[in-house]
Amino acid sequence: DTGVSQDPRHKITKRGQNVTFRCDPISEHNRLYWYRQTLGQGPEFLTYFQNEAQLEKSRLLSDRFSAERPKGSFSTLEIQRTEQGDSAMYLCASSFAEMGTQYFGPGTRLTVL
Amino acid sequence: RKEVEQDPGPFNVPEGATVAFNCTYSNSASQSFFWYRQDCRKEPKLLMSVYSSGNEDGRFTAQLNRASQYISLLIRDSKLSDSATYLCVVNRIGNKLVFGAGTILRVKS
Repeated sequence: DTGVSQDPRHKITKRGQNVTFRCDPISEHNRLYWYRQTLGQGPEFLTYFQNEAQLEKSRLLSDRFSAERPKGSFSTLEIQRTEQGDSAMYLCASSFAEMGTQYFGPGTRLTVL
Repeated sequence: RKEVEQDPGPFNVPEGATVAFNCTYSNSASQSFFWYRQDCRKEPKLLMSVYSSGNEDGRFTAQLNRASQYISLLIRDSKLSDSATYLCVVNRIGNKLVFGAGTILRVKS
Protein backbone atom coordinates (compact mmCIF):
# COMPACT_ATOMS: atom_id res chain seq x y z
CA ASP A 1 0.00 0.00 0.00
CA THR A 2 1.59 3.29 -1.06
CA GLY A 3 -0.89 5.57 0.71
CA VAL A 4 -0.38 7.66 3.84
CA SER A 5 0.10 5.50 6.92
CA GLN A 6 -0.24 6.40 10.59
CA ASP A 7 0.80 4.60 13.74
CA PRO A 8 -0.68 3.74 16.13
CA ARG A 9 -4.28 3.57 14.93
CA HIS A 10 -5.62 3.79 18.47
CA LYS A 11 -4.09 5.10 21.68
CA ILE A 12 -5.62 5.12 25.14
CA THR A 13 -3.69 7.01 27.77
CA LYS A 14 -4.15 8.50 31.19
CA ARG A 15 -4.30 12.21 31.75
CA GLY A 16 -0.85 13.68 32.23
CA GLN A 17 0.99 11.12 30.12
CA ASN A 18 2.94 11.95 26.95
CA VAL A 19 2.02 10.38 23.62
CA THR A 20 3.70 10.36 20.22
CA PHE A 21 2.13 9.60 16.87
CA ARG A 22 3.87 8.84 13.60
CA CYS A 23 2.87 9.62 10.02
CA ASP A 24 4.48 8.24 6.88
CA PRO A 25 3.41 10.26 3.83
CA ILE A 26 3.23 9.13 0.22
CA SER A 27 6.89 8.83 -0.73
CA GLU A 28 7.21 11.59 -3.33
CA HIS A 29 5.09 14.10 -1.42
CA ASN A 30 7.04 17.01 0.02
CA ARG A 31 4.16 18.54 1.98
CA LEU A 32 2.81 16.97 5.15
CA TYR A 33 -0.11 18.23 7.23
CA TRP A 34 -1.58 17.41 10.62
CA TYR A 35 -5.27 17.89 11.43
CA ARG A 36 -7.41 17.10 14.45
CA GLN A 37 -11.03 15.96 14.28
CA THR A 38 -13.47 15.76 17.18
CA LEU A 39 -16.86 14.07 17.11
CA GLY A 40 -19.40 15.82 14.92
CA GLN A 41 -16.88 18.28 13.51
CA GLY A 42 -14.75 18.46 10.41
CA PRO A 43 -10.98 18.17 10.65
CA GLU A 44 -9.14 21.28 11.89
CA PHE A 45 -5.70 22.27 10.65
CA LEU A 46 -2.87 21.99 13.18
CA THR A 47 0.43 22.40 11.32
CA TYR A 48 2.24 21.64 8.09
CA PHE A 49 5.70 20.95 6.73
CA GLN A 50 7.39 21.52 3.43
CA ASN A 51 10.16 18.93 3.42
CA GLU A 52 11.68 19.24 6.93
CA ALA A 53 10.62 22.85 7.51
CA GLN A 54 7.58 23.49 9.68
CA LEU A 55 5.95 26.43 7.91
CA GLU A 56 2.90 27.18 10.03
CA LYS A 57 1.27 26.22 13.31
CA SER A 58 -2.35 26.82 14.17
CA ARG A 59 -3.36 28.58 17.36
CA LEU A 60 -4.96 25.22 18.25
CA LEU A 61 -1.45 23.85 18.73
CA SER A 62 -0.66 24.72 22.33
CA ASP A 63 2.88 24.54 23.71
CA ARG A 64 2.14 20.97 24.83
CA PHE A 65 2.12 19.94 21.18
CA SER A 66 5.22 19.55 19.07
CA ALA A 67 5.64 18.20 15.57
CA GLU A 68 8.78 17.28 13.69
CA ARG A 69 9.75 16.02 10.27
CA PRO A 70 13.48 15.60 10.73
CA LYS A 71 14.50 14.19 7.35
CA GLY A 72 11.64 15.46 5.28
CA SER A 73 10.01 12.05 5.18
CA PHE A 74 7.99 10.75 8.15
CA SER A 75 6.65 13.09 10.82
CA THR A 76 5.89 12.76 14.52
CA LEU A 77 3.35 14.62 16.61
CA GLU A 78 3.95 14.61 20.36
CA ILE A 79 1.48 15.70 23.00
CA GLN A 80 2.90 16.28 26.45
CA ARG A 81 0.86 16.16 29.65
CA THR A 82 -2.27 15.00 27.87
CA GLU A 83 -5.64 16.39 28.89
CA GLN A 84 -9.11 14.94 28.36
CA GLY A 85 -9.76 17.68 25.81
CA ASP A 86 -6.99 16.23 23.64
CA SER A 87 -9.18 13.19 22.90
CA ALA A 88 -9.74 13.28 19.15
CA MET A 89 -8.78 11.71 15.84
CA TYR A 90 -5.40 12.99 14.67
CA LEU A 91 -5.18 12.92 10.89
CA CYS A 92 -2.11 13.25 8.73
CA ALA A 93 -2.24 14.19 5.05
CA SER A 94 0.35 14.69 2.36
CA SER A 95 0.48 16.41 -1.00
CA PHE A 96 2.88 16.87 -3.86
CA ALA A 97 3.71 20.58 -4.11
CA GLU A 98 1.88 23.51 -2.61
CA MET A 99 -1.54 23.17 -4.21
CA GLY A 100 -1.59 19.42 -4.72
CA THR A 101 -4.48 17.26 -3.62
CA GLN A 102 -4.17 16.21 0.00
CA TYR A 103 -4.42 12.50 0.71
CA PHE A 104 -5.28 11.50 4.25
CA GLY A 105 -4.02 8.66 6.36
CA PRO A 106 -6.38 6.49 8.45
CA GLY A 107 -5.81 8.60 11.55
CA THR A 108 -4.79 7.93 15.14
CA ARG A 109 -7.71 7.90 17.55
CA LEU A 110 -6.58 9.21 20.95
CA THR A 111 -8.59 8.67 24.10
CA VAL A 112 -7.39 10.40 27.26
CA LEU A 113 -8.91 8.97 30.44
CA ARG B 1 -19.49 32.07 12.95
CA LYS B 2 -17.55 29.22 11.36
CA GLU B 3 -15.57 29.84 8.19
CA VAL B 4 -17.38 27.03 6.36
CA GLU B 5 -21.02 26.35 7.19
CA GLN B 6 -23.04 23.30 6.21
CA ASP B 7 -26.46 21.93 7.08
CA PRO B 8 -25.58 19.01 9.39
CA GLY B 9 -28.58 16.91 8.34
CA PRO B 10 -29.06 14.04 8.54
CA PHE B 11 -30.64 13.73 5.14
CA ASN B 12 -32.60 10.47 5.04
CA VAL B 13 -33.49 9.59 1.45
CA PRO B 14 -34.70 6.49 -0.41
CA GLU B 15 -32.56 4.78 -3.01
CA GLY B 16 -32.85 6.51 -6.36
CA ALA B 17 -33.59 9.93 -4.90
CA THR B 18 -31.82 13.14 -5.83
CA VAL B 19 -30.33 15.04 -2.92
CA ALA B 20 -28.60 18.42 -2.75
CA PHE B 21 -26.19 19.76 -0.16
CA ASN B 22 -25.32 23.41 0.31
CA CYS B 23 -22.37 25.12 1.87
CA THR B 24 -21.30 28.72 2.42
CA TYR B 25 -17.85 30.07 3.18
CA SER B 26 -16.91 33.41 4.68
CA ASN B 27 -13.32 33.99 3.56
CA SER B 28 -13.33 35.57 0.12
CA ALA B 29 -9.60 34.83 -0.17
CA SER B 30 -10.35 31.10 -0.39
CA GLN B 31 -8.56 29.74 -3.41
CA SER B 32 -10.01 26.37 -4.24
CA PHE B 33 -12.94 24.28 -3.23
CA PHE B 34 -13.72 20.62 -2.71
CA TRP B 35 -16.17 18.05 -1.51
CA TYR B 36 -14.69 15.25 0.60
CA ARG B 37 -16.53 12.14 1.67
CA GLN B 38 -15.98 10.56 5.07
CA ASP B 39 -17.30 7.15 6.08
CA CYS B 40 -17.89 6.40 9.74
CA ARG B 41 -14.59 6.29 11.68
CA LYS B 42 -12.55 6.55 8.48
CA GLU B 43 -10.41 9.26 6.95
CA PRO B 44 -11.81 11.90 4.57
CA LYS B 45 -11.41 11.10 0.90
CA LEU B 46 -11.59 13.58 -1.96
CA LEU B 47 -14.88 13.24 -3.82
CA MET B 48 -14.40 16.07 -6.28
CA SER B 49 -13.00 19.53 -6.79
CA VAL B 50 -15.44 22.34 -7.44
CA TYR B 51 -15.02 24.87 -10.24
CA SER B 52 -16.85 28.09 -11.05
CA SER B 53 -18.04 26.63 -14.33
CA GLY B 54 -19.61 23.71 -12.50
CA ASN B 55 -18.42 20.17 -12.92
CA GLU B 56 -19.88 16.71 -13.04
CA ASP B 57 -18.54 13.28 -12.21
CA GLY B 58 -21.05 10.57 -12.97
CA ARG B 59 -24.01 11.01 -10.61
CA PHE B 60 -22.33 13.90 -8.77
CA THR B 61 -22.52 17.56 -9.81
CA ALA B 62 -20.76 20.38 -7.98
CA GLN B 63 -21.31 24.11 -8.37
CA LEU B 64 -19.47 27.15 -7.07
CA ASN B 65 -20.76 30.71 -6.88
CA ARG B 66 -17.85 32.94 -5.87
CA ALA B 67 -19.99 36.08 -5.71
CA SER B 68 -22.34 34.47 -3.17
CA GLN B 69 -19.56 32.38 -1.59
CA TYR B 70 -21.76 29.33 -2.00
CA ILE B 71 -20.92 25.73 -2.95
CA SER B 72 -23.31 22.93 -3.74
CA LEU B 73 -23.26 19.19 -4.37
CA LEU B 74 -26.03 17.31 -6.15
CA ILE B 75 -26.24 13.53 -6.01
CA ARG B 76 -28.59 11.87 -8.48
CA ASP B 77 -29.95 8.32 -8.30
CA SER B 78 -28.70 7.81 -4.73
CA LYS B 79 -27.21 4.42 -3.86
CA LEU B 80 -26.98 2.75 -0.46
CA SER B 81 -23.21 3.09 -0.79
CA ASP B 82 -23.54 6.89 -0.92
CA SER B 83 -24.37 6.91 2.81
CA ALA B 84 -21.59 8.91 4.44
CA THR B 85 -20.73 12.37 5.74
CA TYR B 86 -20.04 14.93 3.03
CA LEU B 87 -17.54 17.61 3.96
CA CYS B 88 -17.41 20.97 2.22
CA VAL B 89 -13.82 22.18 2.09
CA VAL B 90 -12.07 25.39 1.10
CA ASN B 91 -8.36 25.82 0.58
CA ARG B 92 -6.45 28.81 1.87
CA ILE B 93 -2.97 30.08 1.10
CA GLY B 94 -0.45 27.43 2.06
CA ASN B 95 -2.81 24.67 0.99
CA LYS B 96 -4.45 24.62 4.43
CA LEU B 97 -7.83 22.96 4.18
CA VAL B 98 -10.74 24.41 6.13
CA PHE B 99 -13.55 21.91 6.60
CA GLY B 100 -17.21 22.35 7.32
CA ALA B 101 -18.69 20.16 10.04
CA GLY B 102 -20.17 17.85 7.41
CA THR B 103 -23.61 16.81 6.21
CA ILE B 104 -24.76 13.29 7.03
CA LEU B 105 -26.49 11.37 4.24
CA ARG B 106 -28.37 8.14 4.87
CA VAL B 107 -29.73 6.33 1.86
CA LYS B 108 -32.31 3.68 2.69
CA SER B 109 -33.71 0.81 0.62
